[in-house]
Amino acid sequence: AQKVTQAQTEISVVEKEDVTLDCVYETRDTTYYLFWYKQPPSGELVFLIRRNSFDEQNEISGRYSWNFQKSTSSFNFTITASQVVDSAVYFCALVDTGRRALTFGSGTRLQVQP
Amino acid sequence: EADIYQTPRYLVIGTGKKITLECSQTMGHDKMYWYQQDPGMELHLIHYSYGVNSTEKGDLSSESTVSRIRTEHFPLTLESARPSHTSQYLCASKIGATEAFFGQGTRLTVV
Repeated sequence: AQKVTQAQTEISVVEKEDVTLDCVYETRDTTYYLFWYKQPPSGELVFLIRRNSFDEQNEISGRYSWNFQKSTSSFNFTITASQVVDSAVYFCALVDTGRRALTFGSGTRLQVQP
Repeated sequence: EADIYQTPRYLVIGTGKKITLECSQTMGHDKMYWYQQDPGMELHLIHYSYGVNSTEKGDLSSESTVSRIRTEHFPLTLESARPSHTSQYLCASKIGATEAFFGQGTRLTVV
């Protein structure tokens, strides 16, 4: 069975601080796919990044960066110099390759205070 | 840009009413999904479909039912709404290795 764990339920930071959101996954698949989504208060899921298991290169996109480590089954997300607009719930998710459905972590609510 | 639509976006309804949440996609995707998101944030798969006349139950038991008569539509129905059904419902299509398309969600409140 697949599982995604986001141990941090809620994080509060002050603007301009760096913050890392943790994601640990479990899967028996040798090839697998991980996603990060942002969910603002309006409720829609905003796609942030997709990563496959055979590409361990870390990725940076502006203030966002992702650290994928197969050895520890982790796919952590860092926001550098956080802004109030980053306040949202962030989900890590793993594709269930059998059903082609997403298994989500429980989410981390990030509050960025001005 | 993904073309997957959910209506209504918000719905407040009384206990015992029958409701149908609509989900439509114009991309011709065979696979479609419904996720339920409780107020505690967690997203759970409740139904999915591999194509016309195919429906399967997901991980979380749900009193809702779905149908897939046409590729484009995947409506979700609650025969008798209860306060415990208060949740956000998210529809998705074509979850795969490289992409997943989500609708904007329907926020349902049963009073």
